[in-house]
Amino acid sequence: EVQLVESGGGLVQPGGSLRLSCAASGFSFSSYWMSWVRQAPGKGLEWVANIYQDGSEIWYMDSVKGRFTISRDNAKNSLFLQMNSLRADDTAVYYCTRGLTRSEYWGQGTLVTVSS
Amino acid sequence: QSALTQPPSASGSPGQSVTISCTGTSSDVGGYNYVSWYQQHPGKAPKLMIYDVSKRPSGVPDRFSGSKSGNTASLTVSGLQADDEADYYCGSYADNHNLEFGGGTKLTVL
Repeated sequence: EVQLVESGGGLVQPGGSLRLSCAASGFSFSSYWMSWVRQAPGKGLEWVANIYQDGSEIWYMDSVKGRFTISRDNAKNSLFLQMNSLRADDTAVYYCTRGLTRSEYWGQGTLVTVSS
Repeated sequence: QSALTQPPSASGSPGQSVTISCTGTSSDVGGYNYVSWYQQHPGKAPKLMIYDVSKRPSGVPDRFSGSKSGNTASLTVSGLQADDEADYYCGSYADNHNLEFGGGTKLTVL
């Protein structure tokens, strides 16, 4: 059974940093593109970033370029999102998902709240 | 402002059919056969219902179907059931290597 379990969310002040993790199991992690997708409270889905199987190709949405860094550790079946210079509009539930052209599987999400 | 345009709401009675549209451009919906649809119940993570325009993942009932014409994709839910009441989001792979989403449609089963 495919499982994606996010962690690392919490309350952070504007300008602060947070590192999200996603533990994957039930599939060959190193064989898949992985992505982060977020959802602000009461709002729709928004793709954030994705990363190729070996990490050699990475893409970001414009508003997080230069602030967020996606990475992966295939030996530990883990996906990460380092978030710096956080802003109030980054407040959202962040989901770890599998896939590039579609999000086949989703974790339960981890809530990031940026507020003073 | 979402990249893809969906109606904010749709409704139908049990047993009826309802269709939800998703309009994009030639850079996303019209340019790729990589349209996907997601169902999200309140407080839950989204679930993939349709991928590659019209394919269903294992376990998704055949009451859910997808299609595409030009820059507009559609999700049809036939034989509406109470549990189909949820938010539905379309997604499309796009030129800039990202996955764009619609703003979501709240489906109400009357």
